[in-house]
This record gives sequence, structure tokens and C-alpha cells, in this order.
Amino acid sequence: GQNIDQPTEMTATEGAIVQINCTYQTSGFNGLFWYQQHAGEAPTFLSYNVLDGLEEKGRFSSFLSRSKGYSYLLLKELQMKDSASYLCAVRDRGQAGTALIFGKGTTLSVSS
Amino acid sequence: KAGVTQTPRYLIKTRGQQVTLSCSPISGHRSVSWYQQTPGQGLQFLFEYFSETQRNKGNFPGRFSGRQFSNSRSEMNVSTLELGDSALYLCASCRTSGSGDTQYFGPGTRLTVL
Repeated sequence: GQNIDQPTEMTATEGAIVQINCTYQTSGFNGLFWYQQHAGEAPTFLSYNVLDGLEEKGRFSSFLSRSKGYSYLLLKELQMKDSASYLCAVRDRGQAGTALIFGKGTTLSVSS
Repeated sequence: KAGVTQTPRYLIKTRGQQVTLSCSPISGHRSVSWYQQTPGQGLQFLFEYFSETQRNKGNFPGRFSGRQFSNSRSEMNVSTLELGDSALYLCASCRTSGSGDTQYFGPGTRLTVL
């Protein structure tokens, strides 16, 4: 079966670093995506990992370990505008096309 | 380049009615996917269309259907609406239908079923 787990909620303060973990089980892993979704808005693409290792993009980095079925999103120098839901999504090789299987999201609250 | 657009943005219907939602993908994108988002279940995949053909379908009843036109615009239809169909319906477009392609989401249609 397919299953994606991530924490429901996290809190942090401005300027801090936060790590949002995601574990997944799929029959045929074919890529992992992170999206950010502010309340009432569309999910926006943050990062894509298909090979093991760290992908860095400005204040955001994403890590993947395929053998452990594990990824994390690292957010540095947190800002109030980073308060949002962060969605981990996996693409399964057993499905045709570009369908994504999403976790239920982690709501991050950043306080001053 | 304009993003993914969805119409209408908000919709209120009653049980038993049917509804049609529209999605225009990013220019040049040929794949359109639909998702349902609810607080309890999160984002769930409905179906994907590529070159007017359904490529993939999620685990939803037959009341949910869709189609894609030659200009890549897509519509989804929900017949015999139920209270549980109240949700945010998101459309996402991809340049092709390749495994490495990124999906870009539209703002969604908020459907309320009374």
C-alpha cells in the first residue's frame, strides 16, 4: 500500500531553524515533492528529490533517503510569512502519469 | 506566463444537484490533474488527463468524472452531489506526463454542498 506520514503541527520562532520530517511507504518510489500552502491559497512547489541527498534552494533544503523511506524539509532563518502548511508528496512508479500521493500536511506556526 | 486558472472560485449547491468545474492549465502544459482537498483527508488524487485521454484515476466513485479538450483545458463533473463532496477542488498542470515533471496548482474551487 501507500502511506505518507508527517507531523500534524509544529511551532517555531522567527530566525530559528525547523525540520519537518516525512516518512513514506510506496510500492515503487518515483520522486518526492514538497509544497507550501498558505491558508486559502494554492499549494506552491518548493522542492523535488528523486536521488538520495540534500537539495538546497535558498533558505529551504530538502533531504531524501530512499532506503529509509524518509525525507525532511529544512527551513532556515524562519520568517513570519513561513507560517503555512507543508505538504510532502510522493510519486509512485506503479501509477501512470504524474499523480501525487500526499501526506496530510504539517501546519507550521512561526511566532515572533 | 499566466498560472493555472480555475473557475468558478466558489460554488454552493444542494444535495442531488450536479456541478461542473473548469481548469485552464499553464500555456504549453498538456497534463491536467484534479485533486480533492478536505480537512480530514488532505489532498486526494481524482484523475489525470493528458492529450485528451485519462491517464490515471484515483479511488473515487463514478459520480466524479472529467474530460480534457484539444486546447488542454479540462473540466470535472460531479453528479448527484452529497454533503461529503464539500471540499476544495484543485487542478494542477504539468508540461508533459513524465515522472520528473512538477505539478503547478491553481487556486481551487471551493464547493459547498448544502
